[in-house]
Amino acid sequence: QKEVEQNSGPLSVPEGAIASLNCTYSDRGSQSFFWYRQYSGKSPELIMSIYSNGDKEDGRFTAQLNKASQYVSLLIRDSQPSDSATYLCAVNTDSSASKIIFGSGTRLSIRP
Amino acid sequence: KAGVTQTPRYLIKTRGQQVTLSCSPISGHRSVSWYQQTPGQGLQFLFEYFSETQRNKGNFPGRFSGRQFSNSRSEMNVSTLELGDSALYLCASSPTVGGEETQYFGPGTRLLVL
Repeated sequence: QKEVEQNSGPLSVPEGAIASLNCTYSDRGSQSFFWYRQYSGKSPELIMSIYSNGDKEDGRFTAQLNKASQYVSLLIRDSQPSDSATYLCAVNTDSSASKIIFGSGTRLSIRP
Repeated sequence: KAGVTQTPRYLIKTRGQQVTLSCSPISGHRSVSWYQQTPGQGLQFLFEYFSETQRNKGNFPGRFSGRQFSNSRSEMNVSTLELGDSALYLCASSPTVGGEETQYFGPGTRLLVL
């Protein structure tokens, strides 16, 4: 079983709709969770970080964490064509260091 | 503040050669992590350095090594290159170590092994 799992997609969402991206992780002791966006040919850029159970909102983005279910998600409201990218879920499995394990990414396509 | 820089941006090598990649973190950042990204395996953690010490290592063979200098700049070396080492090598920096530290990625070095 992979440590961080994501549906590879592609996930196609109409412009203006809500895009929902999901991720599960295997290390129950993980404390820090991140969502990165990666455009083709570019390096990953941080979208959201979340450390506590519940929701965290930043503009059009909402991250949701459920440690009991070992599940983290990212919602993108009012999806725009510029949101078309690969979204990487990342989990830091070491609370005292930085050992981040990435999922394989979900390719999101926003159709006009 | 300048971002993470990596040199060179592109590199072509042949099997059996060795290569050294360089990473300069964001000013003030002391932690540097390295990742390998391939279409088949995705982003995989190589190692992390903080204060010139390797703190974490991923599941890569000993051909992959690194070091960090006193100014926090880091180098990664791959010896006896194999075709499968062709990948995008990404460096990321953070102010310090710890579970909640955000990592900022550089543009990457794209390595092609022929």
